[in-house]
Amino acid sequence: DQQVKQNSPSLSVQEGRISILNCDYTNSMFDYFLWYKKYPAEGPTFLISISSIKDKNEDGRFTVFLNKSAKHLSLHIVPSQPGDSAVYFCAATGNQFYFGTGTSLTVIP
Amino acid sequence: GAGVSQSPRYKVAKRGQDVALRCDPISGHVSLFWYQQALGQGPEFLTYFQNEAQLDKSGLPSDRFFAERPEGSVSTLKIQRTQQEDSAVYLCASSLGGQGRVVAKNIQYFGAGTRLSVL
Repeated sequence: DQQVKQNSPSLSVQEGRISILNCDYTNSMFDYFLWYKKYPAEGPTFLISISSIKDKNEDGRFTVFLNKSAKHLSLHIVPSQPGDSAVYFCAATGNQFYFGTGTSLTVIP
Repeated sequence: GAGVSQSPRYKVAKRGQDVALRCDPISGHVSLFWYQQALGQGPEFLTYFQNEAQLDKSGLPSDRFFAERPEGSVSTLKIQRTQQEDSAVYLCASSLGGQGRVVAKNIQYFGAGTRLSVL
């Protein structure tokens, strides 16, 4: 049973525009959320995280928003760059990490 | 190197063969995790070590899967009598701290994975 869901398998965005990646979760006990980025033939790399006591965390071009009542988080990338093209996984944690199925982002130059 | 290293990168096995996958975590990292990632899916938790102790093996899909970390550093994931459904990428991750409530120091750093194909 998938506790973390990414319902969009792919997303294409023009360079310079905003990319918005979405993630939903089912377990209200999750208290920490992370986004990982994965290039082909590499392992996932940590991008940004947010604690459940916050609703927003920003790091440069990347911002993660958390809506606890909706059990929803999103990753905003502004402005999007071609090098951002990768698969993005959201993850939630209680006792262990639960990953979504990923969204493949393509930034078109 | 500074990152998590996994070997081999690719492994082709005949059905019924035993395989061993190796993970070298980041030096000094207490925690080590194994994940299985099937095609088109996200990583799924298999097992977790804190130093040499295997604290959680709830994700291992069958008793054909066995993991060890005898000296609290390098870990080996062994799959006995491989089946076609075992074909996947096996990811290893390490983190500085222990499990429990995740804080920044517990962010997991992943290796590139071992792609196992069982024919």
